[in-house]
Amino acid sequence: DGGITQSPKYLFRKEGQNVTLSCEQNLNHDAMYWYRQDPGQGLRLIYYSQIVNDFQKGDIAEGYSVSREKKESFPLTVTSAQKNPTAFYLCASRKGRRNTGELFFGEGSRLTVL
Amino acid sequence: GDSVTQMEGPVTLSEEAFLTINCTYTATGYPSLFWYVQYPGEGLQLLLKATKADDKGSNKGFEATYRKETTSFHLEKGSVQVSDSAVYFCALSFTNAGGTSYGKLTFGQGTILTVHP
Repeated sequence: DGGITQSPKYLFRKEGQNVTLSCEQNLNHDAMYWYRQDPGQGLRLIYYSQIVNDFQKGDIAEGYSVSREKKESFPLTVTSAQKNPTAFYLCASRKGRRNTGELFFGEGSRLTVL
Repeated sequence: GDSVTQMEGPVTLSEEAFLTINCTYTATGYPSLFWYVQYPGEGLQLLLKATKADDKGSNKGFEATYRKETTSFHLEKGSVQVSDSAVYFCALSFTNAGGTSYGKLTFGQGTILTVHP
């Protein structure tokens, strides 16, 4: 079945460590997104990519980095510069660029900084 | 900037009760509007959408009407079920003049719905 796979589902990190969250899709979608979800704040956009080898900052990109070397993959690195990294991270993708497209979400990765 | 405001939660209802979750937006222009639902332990999935004023989106017994004059997109269901317990997010996205959407969604804060038998 086609879909978006995020891993790991749960991740614990010590302060000062970088961590990378994986996002893979087999939907042949062009655009991919990373959102951060905090209780009572909805979802906020971290980074997005519309095509391979290109990506743009979202609303809260500081302390995060991404790459888009393959259409199927859009990993997110949470660096030690991110001051409050404990959150639920959601990856999404969208087919094509025309019209208002539906976003397809993965099941998320929960990062906890100890 | 653009923003979405949802009614405060959590909302607790008995099965078969009527549901309304209010959503209003602020935007420069005419966005498309969405309701997404997040079931426990899962990612979000699209519930319904409307792309222009007076459009009504509907799915699984839920419906919402795009009201430009009140900048609102309230979610309603006539008879909720226990299985509707989830977090509901209202969101907006823009299509540029050429009809191309970059797909960036602006979300409300989410409303937790709990339905008891």
